Amino acid sequence: DGGITQSPKYLFRKEGQNVTLSCEQNLNHDAMYWYRQDPGQGLRLIYYSQIVNDFQKGDIAEGYSVSREKKESFPLTVTSAQKNPTAFYLCASGIARELFFGEGSRLTVL
Amino acid sequence: SQQGEEDPQALSIQEGENATMNCSYKTSINNLQWYRQNSGRGLVHLILIRSNEREKHSGRLRVTLDTSKKSSSLLITASRAADTASYFCATDRAGANNLFFGTGTRLTVIP
Repeated sequence: DGGITQSPKYLFRKEGQNVTLSCEQNLNHDAMYWYRQDPGQGLRLIYYSQIVNDFQKGDIAEGYSVSREKKESFPLTVTSAQKNPTAFYLCASGIARELFFGEGSRLTVL
Repeated sequence: SQQGEEDPQALSIQEGENATMNCSYKTSINNLQWYRQNSGRGLVHLILIRSNEREKHSGRLRVTLDTSKKSSSLLITASRAADTASYFCATDRAGANNLFFGTGTRLTVIP
């Protein structure tokens, strides 16, 4: 079935460690996005990519990095520089601005 | 960044009643979309209304858009317990490369 797969669903990290969240899509979409969601809050854009080998910072890019080496894949690295990384992370791909979301990855920093 | 604002923040109704939630925004848009999120899950696209449209229907959903007031409403008719979720509006702004999401309305439908 076509869709977006995020992994892992749950992740625990010690302070000072980098972690990478995976996002894979088989919808053949050019655009991909990473959002952060805090409890009871809306979505805030971290990074987005409109085409392979190109990506742009969103509103809260500090402490995060991404790559887009393949159309299907848009991994997000949460670095130790991110001051408050505990959150729910959502990946999406889109066409004509309609977004299709993965099931999310919940990161907890211990 | 400027986001849309949903109103109310939370809404609790009995099964069978209608649910109305509103979204206000601040800048010119190309279109406005509504998404649904079940607890702990990803968002699911519900409906898109373009800036030149005033009303759109999809099943039990009715969306209106008033660009002069920069507002939209989502009506869910004959609600069901399975409609319990958070609902977000998202605006596609002129000149922007991504959607801007509101803070959401948490709907609870009591069986």
